[in-house]
Amino acid sequence: DADVTQTPRNRITKTGKRIMLECSQTKGHDRMYWYRQDPGLGLRLIYYSFDVKDINKGEISDGYSVSRQAQAKFSLSLESAIPNQTALYFCATGLAGVPDTQYFGPGTRLTVL
Amino acid sequence: TQLLEQSPQFLSIQEGENLTVYCNSSSVFSSLQWYRQEPGEGPVLLVTVVTGGEVKKLKRLTFQFGDARKDSSLHITAAQPGDTGLYLCAGGSISGSARQLTFGSGTQLTVLP
Repeated sequence: DADVTQTPRNRITKTGKRIMLECSQTKGHDRMYWYRQDPGLGLRLIYYSFDVKDINKGEISDGYSVSRQAQAKFSLSLESAIPNQTALYFCATGLAGVPDTQYFGPGTRLTVL
Repeated sequence: TQLLEQSPQFLSIQEGENLTVYCNSSSVFSSLQWYRQEPGEGPVLLVTVVTGGEVKKLKRLTFQFGDARKDSSLHITAAQPGDTGLYLCAGGSISGSARQLTFGSGTQLTVLP
């Protein structure tokens, strides 16, 4: 079984809809991250969490929110989806230490029409 | 904002050829990581380098971290079709508790049989 799972794997939605992407991990890592990937732009950090009570904004947090429900679960919400949020979304986990190493889930392909 | 530029953006070569991809920044990083991503999957860590001038070898792949810790290169010897994928470099932030990775935009490598 995969250590980092994401649901759904694919999602098509309409402008203005609220959607939630979910991430679960069995690696026992404290740190969890949400990234989006766009062609030619690499991976950009949306939010990250170093433990259940810790939530931090990343480079591109506007239009997104997150919830760390448990050590193993980190969900990403788009309150009112817009077309330029069409992208690949990745969840990652990590252990504290130098340097950080992150383990990525398989991704969710989101299309906003 | 720390930026990492990767070159080339696209590379298509024949099986058996050698290649080098580059990752450059004007910023200093505490670590530099290389990931490979295949279609439909998340990035998978290949290597981490932490010391300026460090060289690491992973079978046919050679990774080097620049002396000033601002740049890195990935050299593949005798490329094989299985090496095809998106190669991403990522720099670890140098200070503070907010340890994050800054990703480059990636090099899409295609190795033709």
